[in-house]
Amino acid sequence: EVQLVQSGAEVRKPGESLKISCKGSGYKFSTSWIAWVRHMPGKGLEWMGIIYPADSDARYSPSLQGQVTISADKSISTAYLQWNSLKASDSAMYYCARSGGVGYNYDHWGQGTLVTVSS
Amino acid sequence: NFMLTQPHSMSESPGKTVTISCTGISGSIASNYVQWYQQRPGSAPTTVIYEDDKRPSGVPERFSGSIDSSSNSASLTISGLKTEDEADYYCQCYDDTNNLDVFGGGTKLTV
Repeated sequence: EVQLVQSGAEVRKPGESLKISCKGSGYKFSTSWIAWVRHMPGKGLEWMGIIYPADSDARYSPSLQGQVTISADKSISTAYLQWNSLKASDSAMYYCARSGGVGYNYDHWGQGTLVTVSS
Repeated sequence: NFMLTQPHSMSESPGKTVTISCTGISGSIASNYVQWYQQRPGSAPTTVIYEDDKRPSGVPERFSGSIDSSSNSASLTISGLKTEDEADYYCQCYDDTNNLDVFGGGTKLTV
C-alpha cells in the first residue's frame, strides 16, 4: 500500500526556520515525483513545487521561488519542505503528494502538516 | 501566467446533476491533462477524475469529466447527487510555458 506520512504540526515564531517532512512507503520512492501543496485558511490549493528524488531535480512556483527549499533523501524515502525565515503568512496546511510528473495526477497525498507562525 | 478559474460555489439538491467548470486563462487547457480533486473538510484531497475523463478505482460512475476545446474549459459532472458529495472540488492542469502545475481556485459544492 502506497503511503505518504508527514511530520506533525509545528508552531514557530516569525523569523524562525523550519523543515517538515514527507516519508513515502509501499512504492519505489526515488522514481516518483513528490510535490508540495499549500492550503491557506479559507483559500484554495496552491502548488508550491515538485522534486524528483532520484536526482533531486526540483522546480518551484515562481511566486515562491527563493522563499522555500524542496529537497529529498532517497536513501530514507523522505522529501522535505524548508523555510529559513518564516512569516506569519506562511501559516497554512501543507500537503505532499505523489505524481508521475508535472502535469500528471497526484494519486496519493500525505495527511497534511499544519504550520502556525505567530509571535 | 496560466490560471484556472472555477465558480466559487454551487448548490444543488440530492438526486440532481451538477456540472463544475474549469476555464483556462492565458493558456490552453486542452493541450494538457486535467485532473479533478475532491476535498472534504479536515481531509487531504483525493482524485475523482484524472487525464481529463478517467475515474480512479473506487470513484463512482456518477463522476465524469470532459474537455471543451472551443471554450478552453474542462468540466466535472456529478449525477445522482448524494449528500456525501458535499465538498470542495479543484481542477489541476499543467502550465507548459512555466513548467509547473496549477490548481483552480476551487468550487464549494453544497448538496
